[in-house]
Amino acid sequence: DAKTTQPPSMDCAEGRAANLPCNHSTISGNEYVYWYRQIHSQGPQYIIHGLKNNETNEMASLIITEDRKSSTLILPHATLRDTAVYYCIVRSHMRETSGSRLTFGEGTQLTVNP
Amino acid sequence: DADVTQTPRNRITKTGKRIMLECSQTKGHDRMYWYRQDPGLGLRLIYYSFDVKDINKGEISDGYSVSRQAQAKFSLSLESAIPNQTALYFCATSTGVVREQYFGPGTRLTVT
Repeated sequence: DAKTTQPPSMDCAEGRAANLPCNHSTISGNEYVYWYRQIHSQGPQYIIHGLKNNETNEMASLIITEDRKSSTLILPHATLRDTAVYYCIVRSHMRETSGSRLTFGEGTQLTVNP
Repeated sequence: DADVTQTPRNRITKTGKRIMLECSQTKGHDRMYWYRQDPGLGLRLIYYSFDVKDINKGEISDGYSVSRQAQAKFSLSLESAIPNQTALYFCATSTGVVREQYFGPGTRLTVT
């Protein structure tokens, strides 16, 4: 699976949009971009994923650049409860023999301030 | 009620003891996973199961064993616990169609 690079930390004001970047310059054509988050010591929580097109769900939006080498997770109206470590993961749906392992990197610590 | 539950949530045990961590899910997913998380190392896969008759080793299976008693239940055992197995353990589920994994709340295990 492709390696990802994220900033170690970011701050955001409550009520504002949080834009979390992720670089994945070695992504291959069949690899998806996934985002998870982990609130301190809780189980990781799935947020969203996409392949080429931008995606939106009730939690967030995912913007993938046309060359697919980077993406941005957008939390449109951040709340204090969105404070967490956010992980960008790139993985193929075809590598089932690897156990569909999720490889979490260092992630980005997002702190939402009042 | 939570879709993925883990018991116990916290456990302190002594070196050499056998311990079992249990995971149950009500999501109806066929795939289940056990991970451990250590500070600075992210999540590492211990074992995974694609259905009741399918058990596979992950990247760090030594010292662990698992049992898939039913589609909804997946247990992790430490036959003889050692201090470096002190970690946060997570169970997760997924399906072959919906690839995202859903995690339980975790079990904090301390081996003294």
